[in-house]
Amino acid sequence: GENVEQHPSTLSVQEGDSAVIKCTYSDSASNYFPWYKQELGKRPQLIIDIRSNVGEKKDQRIAVTLNKTAKHFSLHITETQPEDSAVYFCAARGNTGRRALTFGSGTRLQVQP
Amino acid sequence: ETGVTQSPTHLIKTRGQQVTLRCSSQSGHNTVSWYQQALGQGPQFIFQYYREEENGRGNFPPRFSGLQFPNYSSELNVNALELDDSALYLCASSLLAGRSTDTQYFGPGTRLTVL
Repeated sequence: GENVEQHPSTLSVQEGDSAVIKCTYSDSASNYFPWYKQELGKRPQLIIDIRSNVGEKKDQRIAVTLNKTAKHFSLHITETQPEDSAVYFCAARGNTGRRALTFGSGTRLQVQP
Repeated sequence: ETGVTQSPTHLIKTRGQQVTLRCSSQSGHNTVSWYQQALGQGPQFIFQYYREEENGRGNFPPRFSGLQFPNYSSELNVNALELDDSALYLCASSLLAGRSTDTQYFGPGTRLTVL
């Protein structure tokens, strides 16, 4: 089955700096890659997603890049703010059969004011 | 916030007991997926229901079972509870149809503690 690895497990940045979180996946048939933000005690919230026919997608301060050949994708947050502090999860999903998300282990991002 | 709701919010059970968790999907969605999130880890897929039928299952034993109702709401049942079942149980709803994006939106979760 699919396996998703996520790095780093913790990341501390100064307010205004950029943050990058990286994920690799194992199943070359995976074609959908969402990113979720989870604040303490709350539900995972979708912040951005990308499909395999696109190499990059941007939404204001957030961008995701996908390299299908290398089977890795990354989340980029620019001009970080204290409210960006949370746990971020990447996930991967195939296109046929079981349409389950396989999640990475999470990155705890701390933005220091 | 999504339109996905879950009940109850918290639950405490003892080993060997049975539990039922409930999920109401977002309006217009026909698919519900259940995930288990242990403390400090990413969610793990339990199973998915589409139009009242199980549409895939993760590596969970048969004592984890589910149902989906005609209004697309869903239940997760766990029998013979074990200490390791203590976790946050999340449901996610999505629309699986034709060219839909099939994006999964999560509910707030049920925190289950097994003593």
